[in-house]
Amino acid sequence: DTEVTQTPKHLVMGMTNKKSLKCEQHMGHRAMYWYKQKAKKPPELMFVYSYEKLSINESVPSRFSPECPNSSLLNLHLHALQPEDSALYLCASSRSGGAYEQFFGPGTRLTVL
Amino acid sequence: QKEVEQNSGPLSVPEGAIASLNCTYSDRGSQSFFWYRQYSGKSPELIMSIYSNGDKEDGRFTAQLNKASQYVSLLIRDSQPSDSATYLCAVTRNDYKLSFGAGTTVTVRA
Repeated sequence: DTEVTQTPKHLVMGMTNKKSLKCEQHMGHRAMYWYKQKAKKPPELMFVYSYEKLSINESVPSRFSPECPNSSLLNLHLHALQPEDSALYLCASSRSGGAYEQFFGPGTRLTVL
Repeated sequence: QKEVEQNSGPLSVPEGAIASLNCTYSDRGSQSFFWYRQYSGKSPELIMSIYSNGDKEDGRFTAQLNKASQYVSLLIRDSQPSDSATYLCAVTRNDYKLSFGAGTTVTVRA
């Protein structure tokens, strides 16, 4: 089973709202990722958690706050976003170690008004 | 120079033909190589991974890697309309970071 699930599928929020994106995997993977993808562009890495610890932050603005409550769950907390943050947010997971294949979830389509 | 470059599309092929996708990368430290397929409005789906020089076949897909030439390719044999998608080449130094190419959009004409 190579399934990563994400909720919600779509999210519309105002610039003053606080919302969270959720990601879950049950493949026993110990690395989880957040990516942002704009239209007609490849995914851009935002954060990497390895063994529930934040190991990579690609200089993402603090209005994005990741959290990894346990080895199966990954959250992305959103606060005071800008319209240019509208994008497809993708979660991915992989076995431990940087060489392994990353499997993506279906994504959350975020629109910031 | 971009880290990962893919042949510019769109690539249009007739049904049943071979689609050939190319990717070059600049980082000689790259260790693992992947091809993802992305349908419009959907998330990337891993279709091939390759780690050593040579060919790797999986069904109608063949990935080829040449580390000396810093080149990786994907062949899609007997192309079907369902293969119409954007194909993303991704490489990594095995440090969790995937470097993606811009993608090549393939259209298979019935």
